[in-house]
Amino acid sequence: DAGVTQSPTHLIKTRGQHVTLRCSPISGHKSVSWYQQVLGQGPQFIFQYYEKEERGRGNFPDRFSARQFPNYSSELNVNALLLGDSALYLCASSFLGRNTIYFGEGSWLTVV
Amino acid sequence: QKEVEQNSGPLSVPEGAIASLNCTYSDRGSQSFFWYRQYSGKSPELIMFIYSNGDKEDGRFTAQLNKASQYVSLLIRDSQPSDSATYLCAVPAANFGNEKLTFGTGTRLTIIP
Repeated sequence: DAGVTQSPTHLIKTRGQHVTLRCSPISGHKSVSWYQQVLGQGPQFIFQYYEKEERGRGNFPDRFSARQFPNYSSELNVNALLLGDSALYLCASSFLGRNTIYFGEGSWLTVV
Repeated sequence: QKEVEQNSGPLSVPEGAIASLNCTYSDRGSQSFFWYRQYSGKSPELIMFIYSNGDKEDGRFTAQLNKASQYVSLLIRDSQPSDSATYLCAVPAANFGNEKLTFGTGTRLTIIP
């Protein structure tokens, strides 16, 4: 079975631009979470979606938004990019309430 | 106090020795604890989770939990060069499922051949 897939794997954007990151969960998983990992830090929770509903939001500005589609895939959108948004963006999926979440390989975003 | 604290290292251990990684947490109500391994340039990979006080063993890995002292540790026996990575400790947020994890900053482990 395929794991969590994310796209694109690497991208470079300019300050002020917008970016969309995509995630497909493991088959059967209905919960998707997004994390940001800045170099040298642990991942930081951004959003969680379950059955297309937002169930949790971390301490991130409104420039960050997300949504989940009927097939449980998800998009993370970031507007008005700042240099500080440069990070590895991780998507994770799970059966809601089960023991573990499974991370995708991530999307490396560089803002210049 | 940070919610989850780890010594950032680097921690250097000779090949074949035991590597000991520690993590402390601030929320006494925390019920479950996760250890992830992250190779450079890769995403975190779950190694172990533990819920109960005491030890949990899985192959060369042992997780130890002491809720009274609010620490959880990971022991790696017979360390191999392939164990060189950053190890992340994570705790679920209060009143939330395991989907919202709070991570420590990670401990960078280097196994010296």
